[in-house]
Amino acid sequence: AQSVAQPEDQVNVAEGNPLTVKCTYSVSGNPYLFWYVQYPNRGLQFLLKYITGDNLVKGSYGFEAEFNKSQTSFHLKKPSALVSDSALYFCAVRDLTGGGNKLTFGTGTQLKVEL
Amino acid sequence: GAGVSQTPSNKVTEKGKYVELRCDPISGHTALYWYRQSLGQGPEFLIYFQGTGAADDSGLPNDRFFAVRPEGSVSTLKIQRTERGDSAVYLCASSLGTGLTDTQYFGPGTRLTVL
Repeated sequence: AQSVAQPEDQVNVAEGNPLTVKCTYSVSGNPYLFWYVQYPNRGLQFLLKYITGDNLVKGSYGFEAEFNKSQTSFHLKKPSALVSDSALYFCAVRDLTGGGNKLTFGTGTQLKVEL
Repeated sequence: GAGVSQTPSNKVTEKGKYVELRCDPISGHTALYWYRQSLGQGPEFLIYFQGTGAADDSGLPNDRFFAVRPEGSVSTLKIQRTERGDSAVYLCASSLGTGLTDTQYFGPGTRLTVL
């Protein structure tokens, strides 16, 4: 079965510093990986995805993610964090069983950016 | 353009009652998904539709849960004889198609509370 793990429940970073939110995956076959962000009382907003090609994927709001096949990781990064980036971040993998159209999500990482 | 919309935003009901949750996908999106997010967890897949038919309902927890999409657009998730354990945020998503690269876009969710 496809799965992702987010090892950190919470990440704290100072505004202006780089941020990393970690995600590792376990899949059979090619991985299709996604990052979403969730603000309080709102749904999930798509940030970026890795399908194939370049290992560095650029997404919305200045976020990027680095796909590393040897480490089975897909960490989310941003060079300079903003207080407004504070939110809950979810990594997800496309589950290719049963038609391949469902996402399996991690448990989420709460990002807190402080002044 | 308009995103995925869900109504109601909040629903409080009593144990044993019947509830309906509505999802209106992005115009032109052929695929529609339902997920359930419990407190402190990532979303969990329930069911997805390609057009009018349920292509994968493997995530529905039991036969009290049922979903329809009669005209291939709006979908309704129906829960019979609600239980306190059904309390969660129910998220709907849609995608343009069901290709492996298609992105799922989420609505704001319906928060269901069963007393």
